[in-house]
Amino acid sequence: KNQVEQSPQSLIILEGKNCTLQCNYTVSPFSNLRWYKQDTGRGPVSLTIMTFSENTKSNGRYTATLDADTKQSSLHITASQLSDSASYICVVRYGNNRLAFGKGNQVVVIP
Amino acid sequence: NAGVTQTPKFQVLKTGQSMTLQCAQDMNHEYMSWYRQDPGMGLRLIHYSVGAGITDQGEVPNGYNVSRSTTEDFPLRLLSAAPSQTSVYFCASSYRSSANTGELFFGEGSRLTVL
Repeated sequence: KNQVEQSPQSLIILEGKNCTLQCNYTVSPFSNLRWYKQDTGRGPVSLTIMTFSENTKSNGRYTATLDADTKQSSLHITASQLSDSASYICVVRYGNNRLAFGKGNQVVVIP
Repeated sequence: NAGVTQTPKFQVLKTGQSMTLQCAQDMNHEYMSWYRQDPGMGLRLIHYSVGAGITDQGEVPNGYNVSRSTTEDFPLRLLSAAPSQTSVYFCASSYRSSANTGELFFGEGSRLTVL
């Protein structure tokens, strides 16, 4: 069973619309959670990090939330742009500096 | 600042051939690692290193070899390529300290096809 589950696996949204990506994890003890953005043909790049004490954090049009009690995180994209088309990967750091990767949410923004 | 540099970007091999994927970073990161990314599988850890002269196996190490003679370089060797090793390979580095938030810095990837 995957330790980090992301949903939806893929979605198509119209330019200008909002969307929310989900990440549920089971690993412990929790250290932090990062959302990475991976453009097609490129390596992943960190968007934001959430630590145990943080509930919400924004990075431009990206807003991440964390509920450490239910072990859930979300990434909300506001007013989507064509450049938001990418895979978004949830990565949880836990235990002795171990990492658990989700399979990613594939987002396609269409004009 | 180049970050993490991987070469080659593309490679085609025949079954049984050997090759080395190169990875270099200029951020003085102690931690370096290799991942493979396959459709529907996400990123899987092959090997990692926490410093020069120290390497360890990850989740999927079979068929791969690594060494870490310097802080900057972490090459990945395929000893006898198999079609199952067709994948996109990513090198990543970070600071080792557990007090750090541990952001991974990835290279651009190396797409390998084994015929």
